[in-house]
Amino acid sequence: QQQVKQSPQSLIVQKGGIPIINCAYENTAFDYFPWYQQFPGKGPALLIAIRPDVSEKKEGRFTISFNKSAKQFSLHIMDSQPGDSATYFCAASKAGTALIFGKGTTLSVSS
Amino acid sequence: NAGVTQTPKFQVLKTGQSMTLQCAQDMNHNSMYWYRQDPGMGLRLIYYSASEGTTDKGEVPNGYNVSRLNKREFSLRLESAAPSQTSVYFCASSSQGVVTEAFFGQGTRLTVV
Repeated sequence: QQQVKQSPQSLIVQKGGIPIINCAYENTAFDYFPWYQQFPGKGPALLIAIRPDVSEKKEGRFTISFNKSAKQFSLHIMDSQPGDSATYFCAASKAGTALIFGKGTTLSVSS
Repeated sequence: NAGVTQTPKFQVLKTGQSMTLQCAQDMNHNSMYWYRQDPGMGLRLIYYSASEGTTDKGEVPNGYNVSRLNKREFSLRLESAAPSQTSVYFCASSSQGVVTEAFFGQGTRLTVV
């Protein structure tokens, strides 16, 4: 069973647009929800993360929205730039365990 | 500060050959992980080590073995490589505790022919 479901698989937006990537999780014991960004040929790198005691977190142009009752969280990228073109992964974990990742979203921002 | 270092970066194996992927971290992290990345499949956990001396299976452990050599090093071994093991392999590490950010290496691209 897929514990973290991510959508869409790919996304194309124009520069300045606001791409939104969604994730849903199964396990209510998860207590850490990060988003990772990966550029071609590189390893994933942490972008932003949230814990279930808050509903929203902003870091620069990146925002996580979290809905505990719906077991969903999403990534919004404000004023998207061509340099944001990358693959984005959501993930979830509970204390002391490994991250479980979604299947990824390939974002392309056209100029 | 190198972070997480993986060797080799690229490898081509013939079916049935064996090899060991090496991983070392210099961040004094307790936990280390091996993931594989395949197109459309995301990152799938192969094995992880919560602390020195312990290892646990992840989602896709078949065909792999691991060794936590010491706190810094965590190796992944393919005893008899199969074409289905063609993938990009990532090692990661994290500290235990409230914040569980995982830091990833640059990956090993493995092709089994």
